[in-house]
Amino acid sequence: QTVVTQEPSFSVSPGGTVTLTCGLSSGSLSTSNYPSWYQQTPGQTPRTLIYSTNTRSSGVPYRFSGSILGNKAALTITGAQADDESDYYCALYMGSGIVVFGGGTKLTVL
Amino acid sequence: QLQLQESGPGLVKPSETLSLTCTVSGGSVSSNTYYWGWIRQPPGKGLEWIGSIYYSGKTYYNASLKSRAAILVDTSKNQFSLKLSSATAADTAVYYCARHDKDNSGSLFDYWGQGTLATVSS
Repeated sequence: QTVVTQEPSFSVSPGGTVTLTCGLSSGSLSTSNYPSWYQQTPGQTPRTLIYSTNTRSSGVPYRFSGSILGNKAALTITGAQADDESDYYCALYMGSGIVVFGGGTKLTVL
Repeated sequence: QLQLQESGPGLVKPSETLSLTCTVSGGSVSSNTYYWGWIRQPPGKGLEWIGSIYYSGKTYYNASLKSRAAILVDTSKNQFSLKLSSATAADTAVYYCARHDKDNSGSLFDYWGQGTLATVSS
């Protein structure tokens, strides 16, 4: 069973830059996994941020960007704001119709 | 504007079948572009993809749930549904339905329902 790995937690200062990553427990990650990123605040529905590695969803601020860094998908927040404090989940397409979510990263802005 | 709304019993007894329905408005489950998926989130835990369905009835499932999960589509009612048999307390979660852009963007779920809490307890 493939496991999608994310940092459990991360901290960033207001105005700072943070990069969250998403990897595979085995095998290589590439754009063919169509990485997507979701933001969720407690009690709320997940919000789609990034799909197909680096395409921002409608209405998502430019400070959110996606990329592949080495063997991982990455979500970078440039100029973090207080309301970016959320849980962030990546999802990967594994082929044959299968999607796997990562365990999520709890981002603190302080 | 596409909207999805989950409905179903909030309480299910252990060993019984958990059944949920997602009603789609502002769009059609008969679209030949999109799949329709179910995702769940146990309290305090992360997201887990359960499975997705195409209007033709073609389905894909999470291997860990495949033996117990069944996703169906009813194009006449513009709905799709989830049935999870032999429910246990581990199935207690908020269940989301979502539109899945599988063929274009693999793991993109771009429209989500608000979620419904299903509790498995006697």
